[in-house]
Amino acid sequence: GESVGLHLPTLSVQEGDNSIINCAYSNSASDYFIWYKQESGKGPQFIIDIRSNMDKRQGQRVTVLLNKTVKHLSLQIAATQPGDSAVYFCAENTGTASKLTFGTGTRLQVTL
Amino acid sequence: DADVTQTPRNRITKTGKRIMLECSQTKGHDRMYWYRQDPGLGLRLIYYSFDVKDINKGEISDGYSVSRQAQAKFSLSLESAIPNQTALYFCATSDRVTGLYGYTFGSGTRLTVV
Repeated sequence: GESVGLHLPTLSVQEGDNSIINCAYSNSASDYFIWYKQESGKGPQFIIDIRSNMDKRQGQRVTVLLNKTVKHLSLQIAATQPGDSAVYFCAENTGTASKLTFGTGTRLQVTL
Repeated sequence: DADVTQTPRNRITKTGKRIMLECSQTKGHDRMYWYRQDPGLGLRLIYYSFDVKDINKGEISDGYSVSRQAQAKFSLSLESAIPNQTALYFCATSDRVTGLYGYTFGSGTRLTVV
C-alpha cells in the first residue's frame, strides 16, 4: 500500500550546523503534509506544515521543502541547537478527512 | 494542565487481562484519535471518532475497542491483552475548523503486556 517513509533513521549534527531531515511519500493524491517533533517521554508536537500547492514554507529556524515531482519532503533546521534533539516525523493527509499517515521517524542527535 | 491528558502514563499488565486507557481533552475539539507507536513503525491509527456518535476503525483496530463517552473523553480498551500489544499509545484531537493543523497529541501511555 501507499505509505510515508523516511530515508535516514538517525542523523547526527554538530551544534550550530544546519540539519536536513528527509521524507519520501508515495501517495500522489496527498495534499497536506506536517512535520512533528517528538521529545523523549512526550507526544509529537507540530513544527510546520505545507500544502501541495506550495514548494516551500518557512518558520522560525525551520523550512519545509516539497518536491512533488519526486514525492519528496524535507525539513531544514538552521543553526541546530541541543534542544532540537528529538525524533522527527513527517505525516501526510491521505485524502480522507482529518486522518494522517505517519512516517517511521528520524532521530536527530545534536553534538556539542 | 495539559490540553490532552492520558491516563495511566505507564501500565504493566498480564496476558489475557482487560485494560482501559483513557483520554480526556480540554480543547473543545470534536475529533479524537487513538494511535500506537512501535519502534521503527511510526504511529499507526487504531480508531478515530469525529463526534460522540461516530466511531471508525483505523488501520490496526483488531484486538481493540473504543468508547466515546462524551465530546471530551475517548477511551481505548484491550479486551484480552497480548504481548504484541506492548507499545506506546497516543491520543490525539483535532476539530473541523482547524482540521489537521490543530492536531494535538497527549503525552502517551506506555503499555507493557507480560
